[in-house]
Amino acid sequence: DTAVSQTPKYLVTQMGNDKSIKCEQNLGHDTMYWYKQDSKKFLKIMFSYNNKELIINETVPNRFSPKSPDKAHLNLHINSLELGDSAVYFCASSHSPHQPQHFGDGTRLSIL
Amino acid sequence: GESVGLHLPTLSVQEGDNSIINCAYSNSASDYFIWYKQESGKGPQFIIDIRSNMDKRQGQRVTVLLNKTVKHLSLQIAATQPGDSAVYFCAENKGNTPLVFGKGTRLSVIA
Repeated sequence: DTAVSQTPKYLVTQMGNDKSIKCEQNLGHDTMYWYKQDSKKFLKIMFSYNNKELIINETVPNRFSPKSPDKAHLNLHINSLELGDSAVYFCASSHSPHQPQHFGDGTRLSIL
Repeated sequence: GESVGLHLPTLSVQEGDNSIINCAYSNSASDYFIWYKQESGKGPQFIIDIRSNMDKRQGQRVTVLLNKTVKHLSLQIAATQPGDSAVYFCAENKGNTPLVFGKGTRLSVIA
């Protein structure tokens, strides 16, 4: 009965590769998010989707492309991975931006 | 005590004592505030939220206090337990703008 699930949990890859992270929520929420957490634990919003439509894109390089096939899924594709992309990426969902967001357990991305 | 540089501020408390975690926010227009708990290897977990029309809200063993005059938010945990050890984040937003997270405070419970 996992609420927000993201896969994979760990992703180790080489610089220059392309990778995807998948996220699914079974809470019936309309809004989904991607966050990046750096090594200092700082959490920053990357994208927000409401009913499959992009509503927030916070100055993220265009190597990052979110895709929402339906309102229960928000996947993150990253092209040409760079060393600075190493971080933990969290997916979250909520009924609206003024309601608590529920987070997945994160995907730890390590670039070699 | 608080440490600077690369380390998170850390609060160490004895098991059974009350904990108070503080957060200063920057946007005076923010009208929604929320506290999250993040355990090692897990995602942030919702604890409690409060809207700007309130000064205080209580949950189970937790209380959030909001002082809009000085833009200060605090989380009080009663009878702190070892399971409360985690990093705690405050976050704020206004309307449909993105949640802005604070830097986090590590709570360490001494048994």
